[in-house]
This record gives sequence, C-alpha cells and structure tokens, in this order.
Amino acid sequence: SQQGEEDPQALSIQEGENATMNCSYKTSINNLQWYRQNSGRGLVHLILIRSNEREKHSGRLRVTLDTSKKSSSLLITASRAADTASYFCATVETGNTPLVFGKGTRLSVIA
Amino acid sequence: DTGVSQNPRHKITKRGQNVTFRCDPISEHNRLYWYRQTLGQGPEFLTYFQNEAQLEKSRLLSDRFSAERPKGSFSTLEIQRTEQGDSAMYLCASSLLWGDEKLFFGSGTQLSVL
Repeated sequence: SQQGEEDPQALSIQEGENATMNCSYKTSINNLQWYRQNSGRGLVHLILIRSNEREKHSGRLRVTLDTSKKSSSLLITASRAADTASYFCATVETGNTPLVFGKGTRLSVIA
Repeated sequence: DTGVSQNPRHKITKRGQNVTFRCDPISEHNRLYWYRQTLGQGPEFLTYFQNEAQLEKSRLLSDRFSAERPKGSFSTLEIQRTEQGDSAMYLCASSLLWGDEKLFFGSGTQLSVL
C-alpha cells in the first residue's frame, strides 16, 4: 500500500525550540492525520485536518495541508523533553479506507 | 472505559509454532483494525472489521494469518507456522463507524520468532 513520506527521518533539538516535520503523500485524500508513538507503545492521535482545510491548531501543535503539493507539515512549538517520540502522518484516501501511515520522524528533545 | 486492550504484551515463540493475539476494542467502536510494525517503520495495514464482518485484507496477509471478530466485540489474530520474518509489533486499533476516522490504538503485542 502507498505510504506518506516524512521528512526528516530524525530530528534532534533543544528544549524550548520549535520542531517542524513534513509529510508528502501520493494520492487524493479525504483527510490527513498525525500520530505520536512513544518507544514500544501504541500510537496516539494528535490532530486531523480535512482536505478542504489549510491549517489547524491544537495547543502547541500547528498543522498545515497543501493539497496541490500533496504535503503537510506538523509544527510543535516550545518543545519539551516529553515530546520525544516518533511522529507519523497518515492519510485516508478518497473513497478508501483504512489509514495508510508514513515511516515517521523520530524527534529527540534534549533538556 | 480503559481504551483498546491487547494481550499478550510480549510473545516469544519458536519458528513453526502457532500464536494467537487478542484485542479488546473500545466498547462502542464498530471498526477494528490490525496493523503490523517493524523497527523504524510505520504501521502497515493488515485487515479490518466492521462489526463482525471482515471488510478488507492486505496483500501482506498471507494464508498463514487469520483474523476473527466473533459477535463484533473482541478480535483475535492467529499466525500459523510462524517464520522469523513475522517478528514485529502487532497493533490493534478501533474507531467509530460514523466518527471522524480517528483511530485509538492499543499498546501492541511484540512478537519474537526464534
């Protein structure tokens, strides 16, 4: 199945800095979601953005979607050590299910 | 509700043995999904159920894999004649049929085939 591609594969920043992760996908989508996964655990849903939306906020998270470029970005502001995790984008393709995940970005926030 | 529950958390088996995993979804969720994840990769879709009906199976799911969801509640995933390549984290997730397509994941079952 097709997957999104996250960029970068790994990111290391200092606490307090902002972290930006990008996701590109291949097909038309109904919505795009971001998930977080702590090591050895299940995934936790962070935010969903629909194909007719361009930007969405939730707390320290900001997600953008550019359907013409088939890309999305996730910005985490004022990062904390507890934000250390892997972040995955996932798409729901138009008229199709289920969620198709990318390979993820591993974020390390250093205190 | 305590969320999606998976058992066991870890399973070590010898090549050629059969293993079975269980998933208890959030009680009011109609849809249940199985994904497989290997180290450094994203989850790969295996199969999903809507109530008790298995609606889609990935081409990744060989005939050694079978999943059931009797009565539309808990689900089991069985792997017969395990191979070393089956070693992975098996994740279960559930969602509402008419919700916002957000998945709730369990903590997964880590399978190691020796």
